[in-house]
Amino acid sequence: SQQGEEDPQALSIQEGENATMNCSYKTSINNLQWYRQNSGRGLVHLILIRSNEREKHSGRLRVTLDTSKKSSSLLITASRAADTASYFCATDPGTASKLTFGTGTRLQVTL
Amino acid sequence: DVKVTQSSRYLVKRTGEKVFLECVQDMDHENMFWYRQDPGLGLRLIYFSYDVKMKEKGDIPEGYSVSREKKERFSLILESASTNQTSMYLCASTLGEGLYNEQFFGPGTRLTVL
Repeated sequence: SQQGEEDPQALSIQEGENATMNCSYKTSINNLQWYRQNSGRGLVHLILIRSNEREKHSGRLRVTLDTSKKSSSLLITASRAADTASYFCATDPGTASKLTFGTGTRLQVTL
Repeated sequence: DVKVTQSSRYLVKRTGEKVFLECVQDMDHENMFWYRQDPGLGLRLIYFSYDVKMKEKGDIPEGYSVSREKKERFSLILESASTNQTSMYLCASTLGEGLYNEQFFGPGTRLTVL
């Protein structure tokens, strides 16, 4: 079953704008990860936030985690056309090294 | 850089054929995974393996089997391909259990079963 559910399913913005994607999950986690997938390719790991962290930054990416609400958000600042991709959250329960992926947000950044 | 490779980017097979999808990783990772990805359903785990000759069922193992004879290689087998197995198949590997459980993915194999 898909634990992570991303919102919105699709997002279209102009270059230079910020993009925010949300992820909700149902059970307790050890960490939450965000991945990017360019069209027809494999997924690439972007950032990991542990359950005891509330916010994390990596370049133009900012991730927040609210374990009380079982939700996370990914913010991409000053978006570029190259950011066009699908973005997935994945939850790690801390056992068995398994991740559960959400259904993804398709981001389109236009010039 | 970790590299995960998959034997084919595109594959077309006929119903009833036996299909082998190969995945190789070069970073001595303990764990390997096979997912299928379908529109609107995200990634669903088919099988995974913690070690050589070990395998565990994921969420949707029916119609599939796997083989892990060597640490670096994890094969997905469709014993008798059916049209509902037309999908994108993604292989991934990870070092092991721990706080930094980042998965490294291959480029994917888009399988069409006619």
